[in-house]
Amino acid sequence: KAGVTQTPRYLIKTRGQQVTLSCSPISGHRSVSWYQQTPGQGLQFLFEYFSETQRNKGNFPGRFSGRQFSNSRSEMNVSTLELGDSALYLCASSRQFPYEQYFGPGTRLTVT
Amino acid sequence: EDQVTQSPEALRLQEGESSSLNCSYTVSGLRGLFWYRQDPGKGPEFLFTLYSAGEEKEKERLKATLTKKESFLHITAPKPEDSATYLCAVHFLGAGSGGGADGLTFGKGTHLIIQP
Repeated sequence: KAGVTQTPRYLIKTRGQQVTLSCSPISGHRSVSWYQQTPGQGLQFLFEYFSETQRNKGNFPGRFSGRQFSNSRSEMNVSTLELGDSALYLCASSRQFPYEQYFGPGTRLTVT
Repeated sequence: EDQVTQSPEALRLQEGESSSLNCSYTVSGLRGLFWYRQDPGKGPEFLFTLYSAGEEKEKERLKATLTKKESFLHITAPKPEDSATYLCAVHFLGAGSGGGADGLTFGKGTHLIIQP
């Protein structure tokens, strides 16, 4: 079956702009979660959505937000970008968070 | 503060040289511990879930074990294709650090290189 897909794969933005990342989960998976990965902090949990509702949230500022659509596809938005937001953003899908999550290839965001 | 620490940060082994990776945690209300493998340029790949102390899981050359304070990933007779970064993550009860029903914290990983 098709894996988790993320678009775009690479993105370059300027400080102060906003960005939207997209994630399509594995068919049948209703839970989608988002992560930020940096060399310094490692992999950090942002939030998780299930049936269009945010159920769990990590320790990130309100500039980071997301949503999930009725077909389980999810988007993540970061507003007022800062240089420190440069990272690999990963999404993962599963039948039940956080068990046996399948990760996408990630979106590499560079903020200049 | 809930923490997950992995050691060593990096490990270089000869092909066939068995070893263990460590994941120690300080969380209250452990609900599960996960091991993932991540190859360069890719997202993590799920390996194991462990739920309670004493539990063990095996897959090919990998064996994961869990105690009340730590988990080990044992690699037996590794091959070059086992080279990757191995991540552990802890799922715990109660409010996550930012709110919500559950928390999920990853360690920073062990970068494993198996030389032929």
